[in-house]
Amino acid sequence: GAVVSQHPSWVICKSGTSVKIECRSLDFQATTMFWYRQFPKQSLMLMATSNEGSKATYEQGVEKDKFLINHASLTLSTLTVTSAHPEDSSFYICSAAGTPGGVGANVLTFGAGSRLTVL
Amino acid sequence: KQEVTQIPAALSVPEGENLVLNCSFTDSAIYNLQWFRQDPGKGLTSLLLIQSSQREQTSGRLNASLDKSSGRSTLYIAASQPGDSATYLCAGRGSTLGRLYFGRGTQLTVWP
Repeated sequence: GAVVSQHPSWVICKSGTSVKIECRSLDFQATTMFWYRQFPKQSLMLMATSNEGSKATYEQGVEKDKFLINHASLTLSTLTVTSAHPEDSSFYICSAAGTPGGVGANVLTFGAGSRLTVL
Repeated sequence: KQEVTQIPAALSVPEGENLVLNCSFTDSAIYNLQWFRQDPGKGLTSLLLIQSSQREQTSGRLNASLDKSSGRSTLYIAASQPGDSATYLCAGRGSTLGRLYFGRGTQLTVWP
């Protein structure tokens, strides 16, 4: 079945530093990947849609300059939290949808998530 | 904007009980309704997906129903086991594949 790997699982960083989170589709190609975040006791919320070879689409209220998304290949999307602050501490999770007609097409496969703590 | 509510927030039951988890949504114009399981430190595992045209889906001991007109979905777990302990999320899908509106989840604990 389709598998999505997310790395790192846990990251602790100092305020003001940047953190990169990777989302990889291991056995299928993903034209589109999605990034969500979940604050404690809150719902998972869609942050942005990452399209291979084009700019990401951000949800209202999500700062595109703070959350940089790069989807340079059909198997990898990265989320970089720039100049992280304690309020950015959250659980970030990605999902991927396979290319039409391919493995995992029209089905979302989720990564295991990355817990970011900013001190 | 779609809002999804899950009741109860937490549930603790002895092994063997039959359970009902509730999910309600404000906008009936959903493409489908999906139930997920989330284990600590793990990603989301899709359990059941009900298309908007369907009324229910079954997989093993799990049965999910959907009533779009009332904005409700239920997840029924039969003969619960300790291995069922996890957080259960429901999500309504909007206009695009990744546009999922999640509830806050029901944290289930099944004790032996």
